[in-house]
Amino acid sequence: DTGVSQDPRHKITKRGQNVTFRCDPISEHNRLYWYRQTLGQGPEFLTYFQNEAQLEKSRLLSDRFSAERPKGSFSTLEIQRTEQGDSAMYLCASSLKSASEQYFGPGTRLTVT
Amino acid sequence: GIQVEQSPPDLILQEGANSTLRCNFSDSVNNLQWFHQNPWGQLINLFYIPSGTKQNGRLSATTVATERYSLLYISSSQTTDSGVYFCAVPRERTNNNAGNMLTFGGGTRLMVKP
Repeated sequence: DTGVSQDPRHKITKRGQNVTFRCDPISEHNRLYWYRQTLGQGPEFLTYFQNEAQLEKSRLLSDRFSAERPKGSFSTLEIQRTEQGDSAMYLCASSLKSASEQYFGPGTRLTVT
Repeated sequence: GIQVEQSPPDLILQEGANSTLRCNFSDSVNNLQWFHQNPWGQLINLFYIPSGTKQNGRLSATTVATERYSLLYISSSQTTDSGVYFCAVPRERTNNNAGNMLTFGGGTRLMVKP
């Protein structure tokens, strides 16, 4: 068990560019979550996958955001036309089943200049 | 959705001191997690504690679900305990999609001085 991994760990981009982040959950975990954390705040839920199905999306997830989990394993989160307000830590978590312990990855820190 | 409040927001301790962090939530929950976020942003699992008491070394936690609070105890604090402590509960009491979307409190920022 190597834990949840995320790539890249840091991303600096210019406003208007597109970015894509990757999350690899713990191998046997079929539930995957994305959260966003801004400075001084707790993480906030963005979206949830059960296997390859995206079952829940937060109102925080604007039209510029899209997430996929094509084969029920790794997931990607894409932000199009980035804005300075998108600067945040993007965290991925996975769990084995509902209402069970979630394990978080190290996060991707995005800075939009 | 369920609201989560943590107290105190900030805490400064001398190395070796004990402390109690509190997490209040607005509705009954069937799971609760405590995390420690290190300076690099990694959330480290401390406890998964829907109810009752658990201990792990110098840390212990108690959740009283009927009274809607949880406590995290840190004894003999060390400088490496510094960071932000979060509690998290399910966003809603019930969820039709069987997910466990977490709502986090605002955190307690702990600094342990040598």
